[in-house]
Amino acid sequence: NAGVIQTPRHKVTGKGQEATLWCEPISGHSAVFWYRQTIVQGLEFLTYFRNQAPIDDSGMPKERFSAQMPNQSHSTLKIQSTQPQDSAVYLCASSADRGPEQFFGPGTRLTVL
Amino acid sequence: SQLAEENPWALSVHEGESVTVNCSYKTSITALQWYRQKSGEGPAQLILIRSNEREKRNGRLRATLDTSSQSSSLSITATRCEDTAVYFCATGGGNTRKLIFGLGTTLQVQP
Repeated sequence: NAGVIQTPRHKVTGKGQEATLWCEPISGHSAVFWYRQTIVQGLEFLTYFRNQAPIDDSGMPKERFSAQMPNQSHSTLKIQSTQPQDSAVYLCASSADRGPEQFFGPGTRLTVL
Repeated sequence: SQLAEENPWALSVHEGESVTVNCSYKTSITALQWYRQKSGEGPAQLILIRSNEREKRNGRLRATLDTSSQSSSLSITATRCEDTAVYFCATGGGNTRKLIFGLGTTLQVQP
């Protein structure tokens, strides 16, 4: 079991560019979560899919951020027109259908210059 | 303000010593989880303690929960250098599934 896979591990973008982050959940897990981690705000929930359907996006910024899960083996988080304040570690986690435990990937460190 | 908060903000101990991290939370819970995050890695669950439990053990780890005071603690005995990490308490994970984390306690275990 490879665990949750996130690519790339590091991404540097210029202000105004687009960034797409990829997540491959653990095989058989039905729930996928995205979190953002910064020193100041800590770990913040962004969005959650269950069986590929969006369930809760209450943490997603209203503009520029979008997430998709086109199939059970991967999810993407897209940030359009990146801004310096988007710099953070973006973490993906997956969970079995009824289990409260979430298994996290190593994260993607996004740096916006 | 944070819905979950760990204290102290940082701790430093020597190998073999015991250490306790505290957590206060502001929501009603069905369970509370403790996670550990090592440098360059994502958080990993250590212990889940349900609202009807007062204590839970996992090897050198012991978690307590007091729902009346909305607080929890995580104790680590016989610490090792590899316990160096940031420790978080997390609430939620119930119907809403999303976890609410505190800012964490940074633990440094020195040889």
